[in-house]
Amino acid sequence: AQSVSQHNHHVILSEAASLELGCNYSYGGTVNLFWYVQYPGQHLQLLLKYFSGDPLVKGIKGFEAEFIKSKFSFNLRKPSVQWSDTAEYFCAVNARGNNNDMRFGAGTRLTVKP
Amino acid sequence: DTGVSQDPRHKITKRGQNVTFRCDPISEHNRLYWYRQTLGQGPEFLTYFQNEAQLEKSRLLSDRFSAERPKGSFSTLEIQRTEQGDSAMYLCASSFEGTGAYEQYFGPGTRLTVT
Repeated sequence: AQSVSQHNHHVILSEAASLELGCNYSYGGTVNLFWYVQYPGQHLQLLLKYFSGDPLVKGIKGFEAEFIKSKFSFNLRKPSVQWSDTAEYFCAVNARGNNNDMRFGAGTRLTVKP
Repeated sequence: DTGVSQDPRHKITKRGQNVTFRCDPISEHNRLYWYRQTLGQGPEFLTYFQNEAQLEKSRLLSDRFSAERPKGSFSTLEIQRTEQGDSAMYLCASSFEGTGAYEQYFGPGTRLTVT
């Protein structure tokens, strides 16, 4: 079964700093990859997704992620964070053809200081 | 359509009591999922339905847990004889099965506290 590791439990940045959140997964087959975000007091929302094609995917609010198959990674990036990006970020994976079994990482809490 | 809704948003119960949660998915979505999320963890898959059929259950779903989706629309998750370890956020998500991959849309969750 697949599993997901998020390397950073809590990241603290100042506004305008660049962000990179690590995500590695463990699965031998073809996968779909997702980043979800949970703003304080709100529900999980999809930030971006990778199914196939260009490994560099762009999501909402200036976020992007790069799928590196050889490294089993799907790191999330943003060149310049804002205070409003303060949230918890979850990486998730499911196996192509078994879309019901979505595995989530433990999450990374991002705090952006104004 | 305003997305996935869940009711109640919060539930406090005493150990040993039964509780039932409701989830209303996005109307055109044929798949519905239940997850549990504890503090400091990501959501953990519990079970899912395709239309009214419950197709998979995680081993996390003990015999005290039962889920239904009687008409292929809303779903209920019941926990019998609650234990303190059941305290968690219970999330519902829905998706539309089609060709290729598809994302799951999450509701706000029901936070259960067992005292």
